[in-house]
Amino acid sequence: DQQVKQNSPSLSVQEGRISILNCDYTNSMFDYFLWYKKYPAEGPTFLISISSIKDKNEDGRFTVFLNKSAKHLSLHIVPSQPGDSAVYFCAAQSGGADGLTFGKGTHLIIQP
Amino acid sequence: DAGVIQSPRHEVTEMGQEVTLRCKPISGHDYLFWYRQTMMRGLELLIYFNNNVPIDDSGMPEDRFSAKMPNASFSTLKIQPSEPRDSAVYFCASSPGLEGDTQYFGPGTRLTVL
Repeated sequence: DQQVKQNSPSLSVQEGRISILNCDYTNSMFDYFLWYKKYPAEGPTFLISISSIKDKNEDGRFTVFLNKSAKHLSLHIVPSQPGDSAVYFCAAQSGGADGLTFGKGTHLIIQP
Repeated sequence: DAGVIQSPRHEVTEMGQEVTLRCKPISGHDYLFWYRQTMMRGLELLIYFNNNVPIDDSGMPEDRFSAKMPNASFSTLKIQPSEPRDSAVYFCASSPGLEGDTQYFGPGTRLTVL
């Protein structure tokens, strides 16, 4: 059973608009969440993270929101740029005892 | 820093053959992870090491898979014998610590077992 779910395999957004990528998790022990970005033929690269003691973390155009009661997090990218076209993975970690549990990813396509 | 280095980048082999994937982590990182990416299961953790010692290998699919880390700068993931269902992209990642520390991924090895 998947503990981290990204229910949208792909998302198409117009350049300049806001991109919102969603992620749900089932394990209440997860206390640290990350977003990774992946281009074809490359490894995932870290984008932004959030601890469970926070509900928002912002870094430039990227903001991650965490709703613990709903076990839901989202990544907002605003404004979206062509270079943002990539696969975005949501990942979670529990108590520092494990590696990362990843979702299956969402392919974001930014249209000109 | 060159980042995490993996070799080979691509490997094509026949069913039943032994396959060895290699990884050089970032110098100074105490943790090394092996992940596998498939269409069906996405990115899944296979095993991770702390200071060269395997900590959690619960993600290793079968006894055909084994991983070693003989020193701080080198790790291998071996599949023997390989099967077509092992075809995937295998990523190695390293991090300075575990909780809250960013994992840095290598470019991956695309394995095709015919």
